[in-house]
Amino acid sequence: GIQVEQSPPDLILQEGANSTLRCNFSDSVNNLQWFHQNPWGQLINLFYIPSGTKQNGRLSATTVATERYSLLYISSSQTTDSGVYFCAAISGATNKLIFGTGTLLAVQP
Amino acid sequence: SAVISQKPSRDICQRGTSLTIQCQVDSQVTMMFWYRQQPGQSLTLIATANQGSEATYESGFVIDKFPISRPNLTFSTLTVSNMSPEDSSIYLCSVGQFSYGYTFGSGTRLTVV
Repeated sequence: GIQVEQSPPDLILQEGANSTLRCNFSDSVNNLQWFHQNPWGQLINLFYIPSGTKQNGRLSATTVATERYSLLYISSSQTTDSGVYFCAAISGATNKLIFGTGTLLAVQP
Repeated sequence: SAVISQKPSRDICQRGTSLTIQCQVDSQVTMMFWYRQQPGQSLTLIATANQGSEATYESGFVIDKFPISRPNLTFSTLTVSNMSPEDSSIYLCSVGQFSYGYTFGSGTRLTVV
């Protein structure tokens, strides 16, 4: 099955800084999503982005499907951005969403 | 996108007992999915719940330990049976929708003592 890898595994930022999180996947994808898991464990869907670029406020994401990677950009980070960021993908005929290992982000005031 | 209500949000259970987790969706969906997230780990798919047929389990998960029901197109339950401390995890249900991707319930944080 598809392999999903994320980098970096951990990231510490000062409030106001920008960051880029990367997701590499081993096969062509039908679905690529970015999630934010807050400290209470809730998983929030940030982007559904199997290809192209999307923006939502301070967050944006780009997926280059032909090169099998996706990037999540966080600008002007805030302490509420802290948590774990996951990318997840579906490949082929399966409907199974496979998660990467996540990036743990800590934004310090 | 679909809205999922998941209950309970958390529970502390004695080893050897069972816990049933419920997920209710506000629209009809063909497939529902159950995931486990062990402490400090990523999410792992347990099984796919199909209405009208038995659930399909992933490698490492068995029906006797994680029985699943799917009585209709808006509801599913996952039971964690004969619990041990190693079952302490967050359990989440999910549904997928075209053009929206997959949406998750708020999760059940289970602690087994």
